[in-house]
Amino acid sequence: ELKVEQNPLFLSMQEGKNYTIYCNYSTTSDRLYWYRQDPGKSLESLFVLLSNGAVKQEGRLMASLDTKARLSTLHITAAVHDLSATYFCAVTLNNQGGKLIFGQGTELSVKP
Amino acid sequence: NAGVTQTPKFQVLKTGQSMTLQCAQDMNHNSMYWYRQDPGMGLRLIYYSASEGTTDKGEVPNGYNVSRLNKREFSLRLESAAPSQTSVYFCASSEEEAFFGQGTRLTVV
Repeated sequence: ELKVEQNPLFLSMQEGKNYTIYCNYSTTSDRLYWYRQDPGKSLESLFVLLSNGAVKQEGRLMASLDTKARLSTLHITAAVHDLSATYFCAVTLNNQGGKLIFGQGTELSVKP
Repeated sequence: NAGVTQTPKFQVLKTGQSMTLQCAQDMNHNSMYWYRQDPGMGLRLIYYSASEGTTDKGEVPNGYNVSRLNKREFSLRLESAAPSQTSVYFCASSEEEAFFGQGTRLTVV
């Protein structure tokens, strides 16, 4: 059974600081996603990581994937208040028709 | 470009009532999903459909049924609603990337 675990679950940061959110998953997967969710809103796709060693960057966010360690990271550089949101990673099972399982989410609060 | 459309957006049911949540996508995706989101629980997969004509149970299927009516539409039915089914429900579709609808806020009283 595929399990996806994120840590930390809650993160309070000061503006300008760097931090990393970790996503561990339990079985082989062929695709990993990162999403952002603002309160009361739907999920917004941030990154899709398809292969070992994949790294993608958008603004102050950078995501990477290590399939051997079954680990993905979402790194935040010089945080700003607008990044306050809940961030989810999600993983698909190999050969399972794209069954998509989510981590618990990391609630990020960036304070001045 | 509509993407994934869910109806209704809000619903209040009495315990024991039934209802169907509708979901349609216009991106020609094969895979479609239903999730529920509860505070502190993330998104939990209820049912998914890898292609037209197939459906499979997810993590929390009890109390729900689904129908993949055609490639575009994937509905979720609550036959006898219970207060424990109060939640926000999201539909999604995917090929390389998954896209989500705006959600349905369901309250069962």
